Order: sequence, then C-alpha cells, then structure tokens
Amino acid sequence: ETGVTQTPRHLVMGMTNKKSLKCEQHLGHNAMYWYKQSAKKPLELMFVYNFKEQTENNSVPSRFSPECPNSSHLFLHLHTLQPEDSALYLCASSQDLAGGPGPTDTQYFGPGTRLTVL
Amino acid sequence: GNSVTQMEGPVTLSEEAFLTINCTYTATGYPSLFWYVQYPGEGLQLLLKATKADDKGSNKGFEATYRKETTSFHLEKGSVQVSDSAVYFCAFYSGGGADGLTFGKGTHLIIQP
Repeated sequence: ETGVTQTPRHLVMGMTNKKSLKCEQHLGHNAMYWYKQSAKKPLELMFVYNFKEQTENNSVPSRFSPECPNSSHLFLHLHTLQPEDSALYLCASSQDLAGGPGPTDTQYFGPGTRLTVL
Repeated sequence: GNSVTQMEGPVTLSEEAFLTINCTYTATGYPSLFWYVQYPGEGLQLLLKATKADDKGSNKGFEATYRKETTSFHLEKGSVQVSDSAVYFCAFYSGGGADGLTFGKGTHLIIQP
C-alpha cells in the first residue's frame, strides 16, 4: 500500500468514550501532522511531529492526545470529546529536506477520519 | 498574523468555461505557495505549487503564478470539465516556527455539463 492511510474512515462516539485515530505513511517521510477540518473554517493545524519529536501544538485541548511511536505511524487519542469536536481529521506527512528546525517539503494527505461526537 | 483569503463559493460554471479562483495571502518572510484539491469523500491532494516569485506552478491544465508584489496566487484553468468539481484550497508554508501549512477556507467549484 502506498501514500498516507488513515483508519477508521468514519467514527461515531459518545462524549464519555475513548477512541484512537491511526495514520500510517508509506512514503519514507520523517514529519507527520494532524489537521482538523470543520465546515466553513480553514484547516486547523493541531500537531506536528518531526523525527518523532513533537514540534508544534497549536493550543489543542488536552482531550486530544497525539502519539508518534516511529516516523511512519501517528495516532490521535480521543477522550471525553465534545459535540463541537465533530469534524474531518486529516493526517499528512512530508520530508524534511533542509535539516533545519522543521519540514520544508510538500505535505501529502490521507483521506481523513470523519468523526461524529454524540 | 498569517492568513489566506479566497472566495468560498460555491462557484458554478459550465463545462469548457474559463476558471479563476483568487487567492491572496498574508505571511511573514518568503513563503512557498500551494493549491490543494479535495474531491468528495477524499483527503487533500496537491494540485500545484510555487516556491519563489514569478514561478508558475501547473498541473492537469491548472496554473497559478507566484505574485510577490500583490501577495497573490490565483488559480486558473482555460477549459474546465465536470470532473474538476471539487473544493480547492490555497495554502502557504512560511517555515518560520510553525511547521504546518496555513490554509484558506476552500472554494467549492461546481461544473455543470
């Protein structure tokens, strides 16, 4: 399998549930990202991992917890979510070419997980 | 702060019409510019990009030119097809601290036969 894959594609959960989203990239990249896509709003960057180290956390509530065990896998652990957290969650990856503080190359996106919080 | 402004739409055109989707940005430094496309039920796909002033990105008949003086990156296509119906996102990467892309809200394009 090639590219960036995400599972599950659809998830419905209650506010008291705990679930995890999974992302896997088969491109040999070393940076991975979580974005949130809500209706009528720009994509919001949530977390960035570069070489497995978290380099960005854009004031995301603690009910979202990322995990990056290796450069090919990225998880987003969810607990006690709110209905306003319902959205499409997109994973992306890129290659850090410059060797500097962050990735510089094109980001490739997965198909997303459509999350509904009841 | 950093931002991208693009028309939200929906933009409805007939097949073979000329397309322009405007995009302007506010960024620190010298960003790289991108257009992504999202087809129904799918994630974002890179459509084209440009990394320096006056560069023209092109792909699948779409073009956009990096205009530093007007901070714009308008997307154009000479003759659209029904299969071009999708949501188009303008974005940039500034590389200054935040490592993610800054996106516009997306423009929903509908092409009618």
